[in-house]
Amino acid sequence: DAGVIQSPRHEVTEMGQEVTLRCKPISGHNSLFWYRQTMMRGLELLIYFNNNVPIDDSGMPEDRFSAKMPNASFSTLKIQPSEPRDSAVYFCASSSPDRDRGKLFFGSGTQLSVL
Amino acid sequence: QQQVKQSPQSLIVQKGGISIINCAYENTAFDYFPWYQQFPGKGPALLIAIRPDVSEKKEGRFTISFNKSAKQFSLHIMDSQPGDSATYFCAAGDTDKLIFGTGTRLQVFP
Repeated sequence: DAGVIQSPRHEVTEMGQEVTLRCKPISGHNSLFWYRQTMMRGLELLIYFNNNVPIDDSGMPEDRFSAKMPNASFSTLKIQPSEPRDSAVYFCASSSPDRDRGKLFFGSGTQLSVL
Repeated sequence: QQQVKQSPQSLIVQKGGISIINCAYENTAFDYFPWYQQFPGKGPALLIAIRPDVSEKKEGRFTISFNKSAKQFSLHIMDSQPGDSATYFCAAGDTDKLIFGTGTRLQVFP
């Protein structure tokens, strides 16, 4: 299995631009999570989906952030408009609670820099 | 409150020494307590996990100690090696959702 695949690995953009981060979960996993990592706050859960349905988006910082999961093999996290304080590493993770209860498989992350 | 508090923020240990990282949680409904290990440029990976029905779990050089009444748990790395140098995250939650601590950067010097 290729693991969780995220793209792009690095994204540099200017303040005000739209940013779209992409994630392909592990095949067969029915839960998908978006996390944000910063030095100050560590790993913060932004949103998670179960069977493509958003279950908890209480961690989404502002309306500028939105996430979708149109099917079981693809999810996006969009920031519009982006701001310098959004600079962080964004991780996608997937899991299969039925098989490996509580075990998250993380992608390699997207390093976002907003200038 | 759903926080998970982790300490220390950074840790320097001599090769062969014991590394100890501590975490505290608040939500008594949490029933799963994993530790994740992260190397630079990579996503976190599950290292070891424990459920609240046991007080200790050991896998090789890694041990989790769990104190349910104090709502605390810790990771002990015995015989620490330079290859253990990484960032360690504790987490707490249930089947569907994990709340992570802020991480501990461990450096093991030869």
